[in-house]
This record gives sequence, structure tokens and C-alpha cells, in this order.
Amino acid sequence: AQTVTQSQPEMSVQEAETVTLSCTYDTSENNYYLFWYKQPPSRQMILVIRQEAYKQQNATENRFSVNFQKAAKSFSLKISDSQLGDTAMYFCALYSSNTGKLIFGQGTTLQVKP
Amino acid sequence: DAGVIQSPRHEVTEMGQEVTLRCKPISGHDYLFWYRQTMMRGLELLIYFNNNVPIDDSGMPEDRFSAKMPNASFSTLKIQPSEPRDSAVYFCASRPGHNYEQYFGPGTRLTVT
Repeated sequence: AQTVTQSQPEMSVQEAETVTLSCTYDTSENNYYLFWYKQPPSRQMILVIRQEAYKQQNATENRFSVNFQKAAKSFSLKISDSQLGDTAMYFCALYSSNTGKLIFGQGTTLQVKP
Repeated sequence: DAGVIQSPRHEVTEMGQEVTLRCKPISGHDYLFWYRQTMMRGLELLIYFNNNVPIDDSGMPEDRFSAKMPNASFSTLKIQPSEPRDSAVYFCASRPGHNYEQYFGPGTRLTVT
């Protein structure tokens, strides 16, 4: 069975600092995709970044980057120069090509403090 | 594009009543997903469709829940009869066939009293 684990229920960071959110996963598939979604208080789910498992290069989107360690099945999200608008719950998700489903972690609530 | 559209945004109903949630996916997207989000269980996939056909409904909790997709631009999730434990935020999401990124609607917050 595929699983996604986020071991940090809550985190906080000072504005302009850097923070890293952890995610580990388990899958027996070779072809899969990983995502980070952001859910601010408005509850809208927003895609932050994606990573194809076959790509060795870590994905980057502006202030957001990932550290993808395929052998360790780890997929952490780094937010640089944190902004107040980054305050949200962050979900790590694994796409299973076998089932066509997205499997979500439990989420990490991030608070950016002024 | 307007994105995934869900209605209503909020629904308050009494136990035993029928509830219908509606979703319009992004035009051109072949896949449509219904999720439920609660504090206790997180995000759960209820059912998903490909080209209007239900592919996997293993997440539908019980027979009180049903979902339909009569055409490419419309889907409904119905709960009949509703119960207080159905209170949750229900999300609809869609994606194109060539891409695995799902785009979520704003959600419907359902409260059953």
C-alpha cells in the first residue's frame, strides 16, 4: 500500500527566514509523481510544486524548492524568504499511476510570524 | 478559465434531509474527483470519474452517498439521508488526461445538525 507521512503537525517561522517541511512516502511503483499543496485559511487547495520521480533534478518554483531523495523516499519542501501569506496548511501528496489516485499526507500547519 | 466551480459554498441542513453538491470541472479536463476533508480523517478520496465514467468509488462511505457525472461539464454528489457525521468540507477537483496535477474547487462546507 502507498502511504504518505508528514511527521510535523505544526511549525512556525519568522518572516524572511527559511523553513523546511518534511515528507516521507512509501510506494512500490517506479513511475510516480509527488506534489506539495497549500491550503490557506480560505481553504482553497493550491498546487505549490510538483516532482516527477524519474527526474533527478529537484523542482523549484520561485521561493519554493524541494529536496527529493528517491532512495530514502523523502520529499521535503523548502520555503525561502518566508512571507506572511505563506501561513497555511501544507499537504504532501503522491500520485499513484497504478490506481490513478492522489494519496495525501496528514498536513503540516505553518505559521509565519511577523 | 474560471477554475473548478462548486456550489453551494456553504450548506446547513437537518439530519435526514437530502443534500446535493455540485461541481463544474475545468473545460477540457478528463478526470473529476470528489474528496471529503475532516479534522479526524484528513483528505479522503470518495470517487473519481474518467470521461464521465466512474472509475473508483471505493472511498464512498456508504449507500447514502451517490455521485453522478451526466456530462463532461457537470457532476453531483448526493447524500440521502444526511447525518451529523457527514459534516465536512467536500472538494471537487479535475485534471486533464495528459497531466497528473489536480486542480481543486473552493469546496463546500456542509453542516448537518
